[in-house]
Amino acid sequence: AQTVTQSQPEMSVQEAETVTLSCTYDTSENNYYLFWYKQPPSRQMILVIRQEAYKQQNATENRFSVNFQKAAKSFSLKISDSQLGDTAMYFCAFYGGSQGNLIFGKGTKLSVKP
Amino acid sequence: GAVVSQHPSWVICKSGTSVKIECRSLDFQATTMFWYRQFPKQSLMLMATSNEGSKATYEQGVEKDKFLINHASLTLSTLTVTSAHPEDSSFYICSAAIRRGSMNTEAFFGQGTRLTVV
Repeated sequence: AQTVTQSQPEMSVQEAETVTLSCTYDTSENNYYLFWYKQPPSRQMILVIRQEAYKQQNATENRFSVNFQKAAKSFSLKISDSQLGDTAMYFCAFYGGSQGNLIFGKGTKLSVKP
Repeated sequence: GAVVSQHPSWVICKSGTSVKIECRSLDFQATTMFWYRQFPKQSLMLMATSNEGSKATYEQGVEKDKFLINHASLTLSTLTVTSAHPEDSSFYICSAAIRRGSMNTEAFFGQGTRLTVV
């Protein structure tokens, strides 16, 4: 079975500092996609960043970057220069092979403190 | 990115009535849509997979007669909560998948619907 594990239920960071959220997954698939979604208090799910497993280069989107370690099945999210608006729940998610639906981790609640 | 519109964003209904929630992909065709339920401070729980032109596939433990899903077109899926009870009160979210070849490669989410049954 495919699983996604986020081992940090809550984290906090000072504004302007850097924080890393952890995610590990388990799959026997070779081709898959990994995502980080942000869910602010409005509860809208917002795509933060996406990584295709066959690409070795880590994805980056402005202040957000990932450290994708395929062999270790690790997919951490780094947020640089944290802003108050980054306060939200962050979910790691996985799409793989014949699995049609996204598989989510339990989420990490991130608080950015002024 | 692609836009998925979910309506209504919130609804209050009386116990025993039915409520319909719509999920539309506005600028792309979605052969597959997914319906999730989210309890407070928890992750998204997949309820069912909605396939255009065919019956939905329900996850274990989800009552298909209570949560009716219809995917009549490539841009619209609906979830009807029938004979709603207070325990059905929750946040419901839909998502539409982008498919390339044999794989879903991206998902876009609706705004969610907060259902309160009184």
